[in-house]
Amino acid sequence: GAGVSQSPSNKVTEKGKDVELRCDPISGHTALYWYRQSLGQGLEFLIYFQGNSAPDKSGLPSDRFSAERTGGSVSTLTIQRTQQEDSAVYLCASSSGTGTFYGYTFGSGTRLTVV
Amino acid sequence: RKEVEQDPGPFNVPEGATVAFNCTYSNSASQSFFWYRQDCRKEPKLLMSVYSSGNEDGRFTAQLNRASQYISLLIRDSKLSDSATYLCVVNRFNKFYFGSGTKLNVKP
Repeated sequence: GAGVSQSPSNKVTEKGKDVELRCDPISGHTALYWYRQSLGQGLEFLIYFQGNSAPDKSGLPSDRFSAERTGGSVSTLTIQRTQQEDSAVYLCASSSGTGTFYGYTFGSGTRLTVV
Repeated sequence: RKEVEQDPGPFNVPEGATVAFNCTYSNSASQSFFWYRQDCRKEPKLLMSVYSSGNEDGRFTAQLNRASQYISLLIRDSKLSDSATYLCVVNRFNKFYFGSGTKLNVKP
């Protein structure tokens, strides 16, 4: 596609439920990142996929968080047993190659509200 | 110590003013540098890369000082539409580190 697509754009869920967030990166982009941004805060790195390499999961805040990337393209971020502190905007970004010198493109995010 | 530090602002300036933001980074092995712009409730968008030699894009000039580990962004002739949060971003071994942003308000 023309840009990074994320769905849903908004999600309200009850505490304790599981949620799945989807990211469809720019076609051909090998690197994919998940970040989250709480209200008025900076971006917090969650996880990074590069090609077929093992993902860098060092930013996942707890074992309730997991992510996968199927076929080197679409990625899903799953949050199990959601808590109120999980409420944030979850942003996905992709880049060609490693993105080291080109930066990357963000999707418009999924706004998650846990009630 | 944070990887990337920025003054949160806000910087309140009149239209037409020149404004400069600085950002410092803690790891000398950092490889590439960027400025992103984020509008309220929107995703960050790449504004410009930052090169050691300095680079300019219209009213925007970015500078990198590796010795002192800081990056700057200069905006000349500010427009109302420049009002946003400016994020300093550093890349090291494929991991991007974001500053928490500097808020700019350009007033008529």
